[in-house]
Amino acid sequence: QKEVEQNSGPLSVPEGAIASLNCTYSDRGSQSFFWYRQYSGKSPELIMFIYSNGDKEDGRFTAQLNKASQYVSLLIRDSQPSDSATYLCAVMHGAGSYQLTFGKGTKLSVIP
Amino acid sequence: SAVISQKPSRDICQRGTSLTIQCQVDSQVTMMFWYRQQPGQSLTLIATANQGSEATYESGFVIDKFPISRPNLTFSTLTVSNMSPEDSSIYLCSVELAGSYNEQFFGPGTRLTVL
Repeated sequence: QKEVEQNSGPLSVPEGAIASLNCTYSDRGSQSFFWYRQYSGKSPELIMFIYSNGDKEDGRFTAQLNKASQYVSLLIRDSQPSDSATYLCAVMHGAGSYQLTFGKGTKLSVIP
Repeated sequence: SAVISQKPSRDICQRGTSLTIQCQVDSQVTMMFWYRQQPGQSLTLIATANQGSEATYESGFVIDKFPISRPNLTFSTLTVSNMSPEDSSIYLCSVELAGSYNEQFFGPGTRLTVL
């Protein structure tokens, strides 16, 4: 069973703070990792992807991957009220697999 | 980037009827997928839509209930057959664009309510 676990939240942070979202996965052979943002009533929007161990930065977002610990995280710096959404972690399993397994998502609230 | 459209955006249907959802992309696509997102839940993959051949279904989903077509690279349909209230959900298509590396992008979704 390939599982992706996230804290459901809600995670509340004040405006301007760093929001830290965490995700663990069970399949050690997983290759690719994605973070999606989903506003209420909208479809998921891809915001970050990471394939290699370490950090990947894109603007205010940093994805961190540790394959040994089977752990991936998303940091949002200088959080804004517009960042309030549900963040979904998704994992692609193994070479040649195109199937994504999603976590249940963490709801983030940024308090002005 | 690409524009992914789905029709209809929402529908209310009666038990026992069927609904066909369309997904159209304006760019070159390698893979197309159909997902379901039940209220308050995360996304579950229904099937991979294969061009010119039968779709590949995930465990728990069958062709008789969710027939899928993909007549060309940029268009696919999902039919929800013999609907029951348990089929009330958001149905989303996603695509992997040519030239991308495994990134999947989602259409706006179809919100289905079955009475």
